[in-house]
Amino acid sequence: HVQLQESGPGLVKPSETLSLTCTVSGDSMTNNYWSWIRQPAGKGLEWIGRVYPSGFTSYNPSLNGRVTMSLDTSKTQFSLKLSSVTAADTAVYFCARDGKSYLQLDSWGQGMLVTVSS
Amino acid sequence: DIQMTQSPSSLSASVGDRVTITCRASQRISSFLNWYQQRPGKAPNLLIYGASNLQSGVPSRFSGSGSGSDFTLTISSLQPEDFAIYYCQQTSSTPFTFGPGTIVDV
Repeated sequence: HVQLQESGPGLVKPSETLSLTCTVSGDSMTNNYWSWIRQPAGKGLEWIGRVYPSGFTSYNPSLNGRVTMSLDTSKTQFSLKLSSVTAADTAVYFCARDGKSYLQLDSWGQGMLVTVSS
Repeated sequence: DIQMTQSPSSLSASVGDRVTITCRASQRISSFLNWYQQRPGKAPNLLIYGASNLQSGVPSRFSGSGSGSDFTLTISSLQPEDFAIYYCQQTSSTPFTFGPGTIVDV
């Protein structure tokens, strides 16, 4: 049974870089894509991007090139970096595993609130 | 980007009701359509993947149908724990996009 847990600073200053880590247990991480999704308070879900163990990544263009994702199978972790943050980046950030058949998000972390404020 | 719409945006229902939520994609996405349930303060939970495949552990009162650009999520007999927000998501092409959600409340 796979489990995911987000971690990182809950408060980031404007213009700085948001950095989050997702620690995975119960999966070697070698055969799936791994994704980040966010949700501002009271709003819907936004797909941020995904990373494969090979290093292949795909990001949402709406984030204007500010996203970097990486994965370390030896630590069973993957990470998100979002640069030049503003208040609009304040949200709950979720990590998730992509299923193989239809790329469905079949396992999720509990989510972590990140607030951008000085 | 593929735009996803859902209708209705919210609905009121009672325990035992049959509930249907519709999701439409701005272009054809074959069967790359997934449904999630989100309860307050919780992460979304996968219900249906590939338009009509029931995720393991999800009650059989949930079902999905459709292909191409029009899809439906049906709850055959609403239970108290089903009051939540439901989102569709397309995974046909990146960026993967979600619908705006449908609130199901009492």
